Amino acid sequence: QSVLTQPPSASGTPGHRVTISCSGSSSNIGSNFVYWYQQLPGTAPKLLMYRDNQRPSGVPDRFSGSKSGTSASLAISGLRSEDESEYYCAAWDDSLSGLVFGTGTTVTVL
Amino acid sequence: EVQLVESGGGLVQPGESLRLSCAASGITFSNYEMNWVRQAPGKGLEWVSYISNTGTTMYYADSVRGRFTISRDNAQNSLYLQMNSLRAEDTAVYYCASRFWSGYKYFDYWGQGTLVTVSS
Repeated sequence: QSVLTQPPSASGTPGHRVTISCSGSSSNIGSNFVYWYQQLPGTAPKLLMYRDNQRPSGVPDRFSGSKSGTSASLAISGLRSEDESEYYCAAWDDSLSGLVFGTGTTVTVL
Repeated sequence: EVQLVESGGGLVQPGESLRLSCAASGITFSNYEMNWVRQAPGKGLEWVSYISNTGTTMYYADSVRGRFTISRDNAQNSLYLQMNSLRAEDTAVYYCASRFWSGYKYFDYWGQGTLVTVSS
């Protein structure tokens, strides 16, 4: 049972901007860093964003992260066909003493 | 090149046990916190267990607490997950995931996963 809530799907046309939300609570997003992962079918998740809004080396600056209170967002600008994937947010939960993942969002490029 | 290679998955009957291993190379393993994360077929990611870089702190998801045990051997650059009393709902691809914050850069690596199927 996922503790972080994401929309099941998001879509956009090439070149446009898509935003994925991640809603949590004071025990997770509200008090800990948020991480974002991209998972292509049949592959392991790949880190897209760490510490709310930091991009690892190699991740295009088309990807950006933000957080406010108990919610976080991942934005993909200049949408490209290779961005079609599943996206997950994650954060440590102090009440559960564990890592919690979002429900996942499927991004489709129309 | 960083590699995390899981092994030990397979088909078992309910109630049986399995031990997963994760062999790390290309990283200073003793610096990294480690997690096991699983993904049931067609489902999302579910965190299973965490172990600190020294092996002194462990956490478990409620769904596996008391049945699974995480451990590591820093001398062997290896992570383990002992899974007992397996249930059908434990069927999933199990990933080992590593993370290290150097103070100015974050490192995050995942293995390719190993499939565990619990079925009679």
